[in-house]
Amino acid sequence: NAGVTQTPKFRILKIGQSMTLQCTQDMNHNYMYWYRQDPGMGLKLIYYSVGAGITDKGEVPNGYNVSRSTTEDFPLRLELAAPSQTSVYFCASSYSQGSADQPQHFGDGTRLSIL
Amino acid sequence: AQKITQTQPGMFVQEKEAVTLDCTYDTSDQSYGLFWYKQPSSGEMIFLIYQGSYDEQNATEGRYSLNFQKARKSANLVISASQLGDSAMYFCAMREFNAGGTSYGKLTFGQGTILTVHP
Repeated sequence: NAGVTQTPKFRILKIGQSMTLQCTQDMNHNYMYWYRQDPGMGLKLIYYSVGAGITDKGEVPNGYNVSRSTTEDFPLRLELAAPSQTSVYFCASSYSQGSADQPQHFGDGTRLSIL
Repeated sequence: AQKITQTQPGMFVQEKEAVTLDCTYDTSDQSYGLFWYKQPSSGEMIFLIYQGSYDEQNATEGRYSLNFQKARKSANLVISASQLGDSAMYFCAMREFNAGGTSYGKLTFGQGTILTVHP
């Protein structure tokens, strides 16, 4: 019953450092998503993927990159960390076969601070 | 672009009473889906309930029901018999479409409402 697993749970980075947030799901979902949640705000979509090898930008993609080499994994890369990227990051996945109304399953989030 | 508005930053309710959390949306699409998620203080996102734009009946899931008023573009969440464990942030979200009319399940979220249940 793992669902969507995110690692690490917490991380502190220095300005200019890079890191990869890992996300893996074991539900054979075709769609995967990365969101960020700033304090007191709703979630905003960073990137999404509709299948292995296919990714696209969401609402706030600047400063991030993604890849989807397998169905299970959808890592998020920060190349040059900036204080504005301090946030909680959520990975989610869902299954779609003709209808896009399936609820997304979320990981527990990664709290990232850039100092 | 689609937009979700939750006008109540915080709500308080007495244990065992019912509470309504407001959500209004703006879209030009005829087909859309509305979701409610709960986020406890531990931070995880928990799916609660879903309403499709063509669903004639209001969605219900246990103590949760969705008061869907299509003409008013509102999708309010009703929690009956509140429990202390219902204290959390609640988000309303809408399925979003690309310019080409496809969705890919992307969601637009409102800013959330913090619900506090008093004993």
